[in-house]
Amino acid sequence: NAGVTQTPKFQVLKTGQSMTLQCAQDMNHNSMYWYRQDPGMGLRLIYYSASEGTTDKGEVPNGYNVSRLNKREFSLRLESAAPSQTSVYFCASSPDRGGYSNQPQHFGDGTRLSIL
Amino acid sequence: SQQGEEDPQALSIQEGENATMNCSYKTSINNLQWYRQNSGRGLVHLILIRSNEREKHSGRLRVTLDTSKKSSSLLITASRAADTASYFCATADGFGNEKLTFGTGTRLTIIP
Repeated sequence: NAGVTQTPKFQVLKTGQSMTLQCAQDMNHNSMYWYRQDPGMGLRLIYYSASEGTTDKGEVPNGYNVSRLNKREFSLRLESAAPSQTSVYFCASSPDRGGYSNQPQHFGDGTRLSIL
Repeated sequence: SQQGEEDPQALSIQEGENATMNCSYKTSINNLQWYRQNSGRGLVHLILIRSNEREKHSGRLRVTLDTSKKSSSLLITASRAADTASYFCATADGFGNEKLTFGTGTRLTIIP
């Protein structure tokens, strides 16, 4: 029972490089989310996908793009990495429409990303 | 911007004691949720309380919600070493929005 799986777990990039963070869930959830977690800041929403085929910006979308590849997979892409994007990135999913339908979110264990 | 602010930022107690942490938020909510995060891991959902509820229990957890004061508290009774973690509140607003807004967290340390 994997839940939400994120790859890779750790990554070091140089400024200007690009990469894609992968997320997959096996719970048949409709909604998926990407957050970043910085010290003292809690979690901030980057992008979310309420259902397959839709994506919307969250609080801090600049410098990121997302793709909802299918119902299971939701990827986050950094086109040109910057040191300010050094963070821990979490993917989450929820059964239906997240908080509005009173459903909890299920989180992966994160990707620790350092930009040098 | 952060919706929730947890208080205190850090808390250390002896094993067996009760731990109380508080969350304040700014705007109208549909529900408020509490999550736990162990070091190096993702967040785990603990309990959800709806805006029309005032108190909810789950095992050793008790959550209260005061919408007039825009605040919530999480009480962990008879604490155990395994309760050492960071605890976050998260709010869903009342505007048909799927998004959760997280607070900055309380770091709880249980001393054996």
